[in-house]
Amino acid sequence: GAGVSQSPSNKVTEKGKDVELRCDPISGHTALYWYRQRLGQGLEFLIYFQGNSAPDKSGLPSDRFSAERTGESVSTLTIQRTQQEDSAVYLCASSTWGLSYRNEQFFGPGTRLTVL
Amino acid sequence: KQEVTQIPAALSVPEGENLVLNCSFTDSAIYNLQWFRQDPGKGLTSLLLIQSSQREQTSGRLNASLDKSSGRSTLYIAASQPGDSATYLCAFTSGTYKYIFGTGTRLKVLA
Repeated sequence: GAGVSQSPSNKVTEKGKDVELRCDPISGHTALYWYRQRLGQGLEFLIYFQGNSAPDKSGLPSDRFSAERTGESVSTLTIQRTQQEDSAVYLCASSTWGLSYRNEQFFGPGTRLTVL
Repeated sequence: KQEVTQIPAALSVPEGENLVLNCSFTDSAIYNLQWFRQDPGKGLTSLLLIQSSQREQTSGRLNASLDKSSGRSTLYIAASQPGDSATYLCAFTSGTYKYIFGTGTRLKVLA
């Protein structure tokens, strides 16, 4: 079946503009995650969805960042008033969350965001 | 604070060599440890997942082991090939949902 998809694959924007990044998880996966990978650094957790609710938003770097998920499917990460330090690859992952708690996460190809 | 360290940061080997990538973590109460590869400009591909009750997992030429008491995991790649060139990441979760990632080992296998 189809894997996790993300769009756009690349986004170049000007400082101060708002951007929306989209993630389509694997069908049937109830859990969805957003991570950020800055150049030369490891992945940072941003936010986690279980269904349509986000129990943990602790990784969001500032109130300029927000995310939502609808229909237990698509998720959108929105960055308002972008800054140059927001430049990074934004990765989305999804997983099942069953009794086994195996929670193997499957990642999308990412969106490379460049803020000029 | 939970930390994950991967050594070496970069590795270059001739084709055919067996090699070991190391991952160490500070939280011994891990639940899952997962190894990924990341190709330039692409997302992460899951290689192996070891649950806390397991000590190792194997897939083809890859073998990953987990020693919770010492806080270490190793990824063994047998008979390396140029197609194995990528960045290898380990990540763990300590019973919650979010993974803590290491910064990776950049592997280059020379033909």
